[in-house]
Amino acid sequence: KQEVTQIPAALSVPEGENLVLNCSFTDSAIYNLQWFRQDPGKGLTSLLLIQSSQREQTSGRLNASLDKSSGRSTLYIAASQPGDSATYLCALRDNYGQNFVFGPGTRLSVLP
Amino acid sequence: NAGVTQTPKFRVLKTGQSMTLLCAQDMNHEYMYWYRQDPGMGLRLIHYSVGEGTTAKGEVPDGYNVSRLKKQNFLLGLESAAPSQTSVYFCASSHRTEAFFGQGTRLTVV
Repeated sequence: KQEVTQIPAALSVPEGENLVLNCSFTDSAIYNLQWFRQDPGKGLTSLLLIQSSQREQTSGRLNASLDKSSGRSTLYIAASQPGDSATYLCALRDNYGQNFVFGPGTRLSVLP
Repeated sequence: NAGVTQTPKFRVLKTGQSMTLLCAQDMNHEYMYWYRQDPGMGLRLIHYSVGEGTTAKGEVPDGYNVSRLKKQNFLLGLESAAPSQTSVYFCASSHRTEAFFGQGTRLTVV
């Protein structure tokens, strides 16, 4: 059974810092990996999608990487802003391409 | 561009009552999902559908039923609500790529 962990569980940084969020998984047979953002009381907003054949994806200040062999993905946020404060979740799609398994999330606080 | 829309957004039920949550998507996606999100438990899959007329059980299906009579709609039913079903429910849809989520339904069972 696929297990997904995210470290750290919570992170507090001053505005302007670059930071890395980690996502680890136990089964490398994945179809794709998706990073989401969730604001308090809101739904999940898709940030980046990495197909299993890809190594990384970039969108603005965000860069996500995928290393299937080591069972890891990282989300890099450059020049963090208070508006980046949210919970970040990674989700892996199994090799059948049907279901997602979510990590528990990292709660990020960016202080002004 | 509505995306994924969930109805209702909030609901309070008494134990034993029934209700149906509606999820509608306008992206012609084949796959649709119902998750629940609880503090400390993360997102857990209740039921999912890989196409119109199909449904399958997820990780925590007990106490719930689903139907996918139309491709754009996925209904989640609670036949006899229990306090343990107090949660935030999320619907999602996708092709075999990116998933999109609704804004959630906050359900309280008293």
